[in-house]
Amino acid sequence: DTEVTQTPKHLVMGMTNKKSLKCEQHMGHRAMYWYKQKAKKPPELMFVYSYEKLSINESVPSRFSPECPNSSLLNLHLHALQPEDSALYLCASSQESPRRVGGGYEQYFGPGTRLTVT
Amino acid sequence: DAKTTQPPSMDCAEGRAANLPCNHSTISGNEYVYWYRQIHSQGPQYIIHGLKNNETNEMASLIITEDRKSSTLILPHATLRDTAVYYCIVRPSRTASKLTFGTGTRLQVTL
Repeated sequence: DTEVTQTPKHLVMGMTNKKSLKCEQHMGHRAMYWYKQKAKKPPELMFVYSYEKLSINESVPSRFSPECPNSSLLNLHLHALQPEDSALYLCASSQESPRRVGGGYEQYFGPGTRLTVT
Repeated sequence: DAKTTQPPSMDCAEGRAANLPCNHSTISGNEYVYWYRQIHSQGPQYIIHGLKNNETNEMASLIITEDRKSSTLILPHATLRDTAVYYCIVRPSRTASKLTFGTGTRLQVTL
């Protein structure tokens, strides 16, 4: 199973709402990622979790709050977002250490959650 | 991470080989070349990676020049389903870390 699932597929929220994006993988990966992708732009990293601990925060505003409750789940809590936060939010996972020489670390992406902030 | 340069777009006839170039002249010794692609409205998909030897898998082949300053991704028999944005990314492989996506090459496969 090389699938990363994300829910919901689409989300429309107002600027005063609180919502959460969810991501799940069952590949035994111990690194999980959140990326943000604006229209016609490449994905940009937001957060990296390694062994359920936050290891990289790319200076993301505090209105985005990540959470990794266990090794299979990754959440992104959203609060007081702005219309410019509308984007495709992608989750990915990877091994944390290579299982073979020269290997490892390829990231598997979910289909994304398309978020619209009104 | 080393910066990469790719042509913004390419066309390829269905059934022909698609050769996508990437320049990474500032690559350092411990950095690998990774290729991902993103089909419209989907998440990026890993294709292949390599350090200095040529690599082949069921999806594609990766040719890295001897000086490692450039590489070419080859899709041997392109199909319409291969229409996507292809990203060449250079990064170290020792730890799980971020992927820094460039602008990529938009490959259009036509009949």
